[in-house]
Amino acid sequence: AQTVTQSQPEMSVQEAETVTLSCTYDTSESDYYLFWYKQPPSRQMILVIRQEAYKQQNATENRFSVNFQKAAKSFSLKISDSQLGDAAMYFCAYSPGGGADGLTFGKGTHLIIQP
Amino acid sequence: DTEVTQTPKHLVMGMTNKKSLKCEQHMGHRAMYWYKQKAKKPPELMFVYSYEKLSINESVPSRFSPECPNSSLLNLHLHALQPEDSALYLCASGSWGGYTFGSGTRLTVV
Repeated sequence: AQTVTQSQPEMSVQEAETVTLSCTYDTSESDYYLFWYKQPPSRQMILVIRQEAYKQQNATENRFSVNFQKAAKSFSLKISDSQLGDAAMYFCAYSPGGGADGLTFGKGTHLIIQP
Repeated sequence: DTEVTQTPKHLVMGMTNKKSLKCEQHMGHRAMYWYKQKAKKPPELMFVYSYEKLSINESVPSRFSPECPNSSLLNLHLHALQPEDSALYLCASGSWGGYTFGSGTRLTVV
C-alpha cells in the first residue's frame, strides 16, 4: 500500500517570503502522480500543482514549484512571495497511474502567513 | 465556480433518518469518488465509481450506500447513521490527470 508522510503539522512564514513544505511517499509502483492540494477554511480542495513521476523536470505554477526527488521519494512544495491568501491546509497526495484509484493523502501542513 | 457541484451544502439528520447526498459533474470524467473528512484530518477515500460501476469500496459500513445513476451523477444514500459519522463529505471526479473536488456537504448527525 502507498503511504504519504508530511512531517510538518504547521509552518509559519512572513508575507512576501519563501516557504517549503515537505512530503515523502512510499510506493512500489513505477507509474504514479503526485499532487499538492490547498484547503482554505472554506474547506474547498483546490489543486495547486501536479507532477508526473516519469518526468524529471520539476513542475511549476506561477509562485508554486516542486522539488521532486524520485529516488529519495521526496516531493516538496515551494511557495515564493507568500501572500495572505496562501494561508490554508496543504495536503500532499499520491495517485497510481493508469486507472481510477483515487488519492492517498498525507496528514497535511497548516500554513500560517504572518503579515 | 467549482465544476463539481454537491448538494446540500449542510445537512443535519437524526439517527433514524434517511437522506441522500448528491454530486454532479459535467467535465466528462468517467470516474467519481466519495471521500469523508473529519476536522483537522485528511480526506479518506470511501467509494470509487469507474464507468458507472463501483470499483472500490474501502470497507465502508452498509449504512452508507453509493449510487451512480449515470456518468455525471453520484449519490450517497445515508441511513441509520451514528454521531461519529458527522463529517465533511467530499465528492470528486477525474483520475491521475487531475482530480476536481466539490465544495462538500457538512453532515451533522444528532
